[in-house]
Amino acid sequence: EPEVTQTPSHQVTQMGQEVILRCVPISNHLYFYWYRQILGQKVEFLVSFYNNEISEKSEIFDDQFSVERPDGSNFTLKIRSTKLEDSAMYFCASSVSRVALNQPQHFGDGTRLSIL
Amino acid sequence: GDSVTQMEGPVTLSEEAFLTINCTYTATGYPSLFWYVQYPGEGLQLLLKATKADDKGSNKGFEATYRKETTSFHLEKGSVQVSDSAVYFCALGSGGGADGLTFGKGTHLIIQP
Repeated sequence: EPEVTQTPSHQVTQMGQEVILRCVPISNHLYFYWYRQILGQKVEFLVSFYNNEISEKSEIFDDQFSVERPDGSNFTLKIRSTKLEDSAMYFCASSVSRVALNQPQHFGDGTRLSIL
Repeated sequence: GDSVTQMEGPVTLSEEAFLTINCTYTATGYPSLFWYVQYPGEGLQLLLKATKADDKGSNKGFEATYRKETTSFHLEKGSVQVSDSAVYFCALGSGGGADGLTFGKGTHLIIQP
């Protein structure tokens, strides 16, 4: 069964450094998403991406964050200048179509980001 | 805004016991409802879904019925196994057209042999 893959599984970064989290969505999917889960808290939506542009973003997704689909397979999340509170598990997801059309989102295993 | 409330865990049961994990929601419009499962060290896997009132989603012996009148989507299984030990998340896809899923806090299920 096709799956969403994320790399690396664990990233340790010094505060203030830039970090790029990578994802390869399922190949025939058109919508891509990033979520985060701070330890002990809910999984929170960050951003959705469709047709090479941001479709929707939450208030968490401020100017420190950006997303990109640099080629036909990868989907990346960049945090420009990391803060301690960015430490979390980051999940990438993809779907054939929008959830409003009853299409489920398929998640990767996540990248655990630790900011020192 | 949309919200999902799940019963607090951990929930500890013996093997072959009956399982219910409660989930209620608040949403505008007609949301889709999902249960995701996270096994230790792994990502979120879609367990089942229901897209309209009275729909029943089922998979791997788990079931959940979309109850619009009680705004609930409780997860049930008749006889749990040790391998069902995981964290279970109830999630809502907005009927209002928003892209992001709204998740509950998750319920940690522990099945003892």
